[in-house]
Amino acid sequence: AQTVTQSQPEMSVQEAETVTLSCTYDTSENNYYLFWYKQPPSRQMILVIRQEAYKQQNATENRFSVNFQKAAKSFSLKISDSQLGDTAMYFCAFILQGAQKLVFGQGTRLTINP
Amino acid sequence: DAGVIQSPRHEVTEMGQEVTLRCKPISGHDYLFWYRQTMMRGLELLIYFNNNVPIDDSGMPEDRFSAKMPNASFSTLKIQPSEPRDSAVYFCASTLKPGLGYTFGSGTRLTVV
Repeated sequence: AQTVTQSQPEMSVQEAETVTLSCTYDTSENNYYLFWYKQPPSRQMILVIRQEAYKQQNATENRFSVNFQKAAKSFSLKISDSQLGDTAMYFCAFILQGAQKLVFGQGTRLTINP
Repeated sequence: DAGVIQSPRHEVTEMGQEVTLRCKPISGHDYLFWYRQTMMRGLELLIYFNNNVPIDDSGMPEDRFSAKMPNASFSTLKIQPSEPRDSAVYFCASTLKPGLGYTFGSGTRLTVV
């Protein structure tokens, strides 16, 4: 079975700093997709970024970028120039190509301090 | 598109009462998922549908829980009878293709007292 592990339950940084959230996953398959979701206090789950495993290039969405290390099964999220609105729970998720069910990590609570 | 729409946003009910949560997926999305989120257990997949047909309900905790999708634009999750341990946030999500990721609704916070 596939698993996703987020080893940092909580993180806190100052506004404008760069922060990296860690995620590792376990699978014996070669083709899959990885995601980061953001859940702010409003509780809406928002898709932040998506990575296709067969693409070596790391995905980027504005201030959000990933470091995808396929051999190490690592998928970290970097937030540059952090803003107060980035305060949220962040979930890493994984799905095999052709599968239907997303597997979520336990989440990292990120607080951006003014 | 208005996104995935869930109602109600909050529900407070007494133990033993029937609770019905509602979801309208994004038009054209063939997959619909029901999740439950608690502090202790995180995000749990309860059931999912493909083209209105239930595919996997192995996450439904017990017979008190049931879900239906009578048409492509509406789904319900029913708990009867409700118990305090059912208190959680229930999310509905939909997608055209799971590999693209899911779009979530804003969730229903259920409190059973």
